[in-house]
Amino acid sequence: LILTQPHSVSESPGKTVTISCTRRSGSIASSYVQWYQQRPGSAPTTIIYEDSQRPFGVPDRFSGSIDSSSNSASLTISGLETEDEADYYCQSYFSHIQIFGGGTKLTVL
Amino acid sequence: QVQLQESGPGLVKSSETLSLTCDVSGYSISNGYFWSWIRQPPGKGLEWIGSMHHFGMTYYDVSLKSRATISIDTSKNQFSLKVTSVTAADTAVYFCARVHYCGGDCYSNFDSWGQGLLVTVSS
Repeated sequence: LILTQPHSVSESPGKTVTISCTRRSGSIASSYVQWYQQRPGSAPTTIIYEDSQRPFGVPDRFSGSIDSSSNSASLTISGLETEDEADYYCQSYFSHIQIFGGGTKLTVL
Repeated sequence: QVQLQESGPGLVKSSETLSLTCDVSGYSISNGYFWSWIRQPPGKGLEWIGSMHHFGMTYYDVSLKSRATISIDTSKNQFSLKVTSVTAADTAVYFCARVHYCGGDCYSNFDSWGQGLLVTVSS
């Protein structure tokens, strides 16, 4: 199981950005996908779990989805704020093995 | 509120064994979840090492080639990681974390993390 993310994305404040996470083998829909935000020097925090669920306290500017046609999951952040600048990781699993995507550095400029 | 805290040496010599402990407070390890170790080499992404349930089910990433061992001590409400024969490639920030298990081959998110501990392997 490999999860492929773009290395980096950038967008302006107030705009919308989408980060993809493509599963290279097996169906994206067969296992839940989670998304984490990690700021420098801190542990990751969950922003999306079980494909599209937001933990309490995560703004609804963050949304998650899966697309079986492209076998990928997506994290969409609308109304970008400078504080959204961070690394974002997708995560899923197969046969009890957990896998993280390589991470995407989001720059808000 | 559950809290996790890693502890252990920040410097390990090459070819020796790395040993870390994660103290859990605010939640009993015996109540469920899989208890996990994840590492992050400097400037790189997250790497899952392995996860263990207090019932004994344990899973590891194959890339560590059997060098990693996770154990749980329910009496101390803590779990541990040992990695043998370390090299410079094992230098990383090591996180302990809790992952929600929904049964069968179904997991949700790593919902609680320690702050992370930098372990450097020296030659």
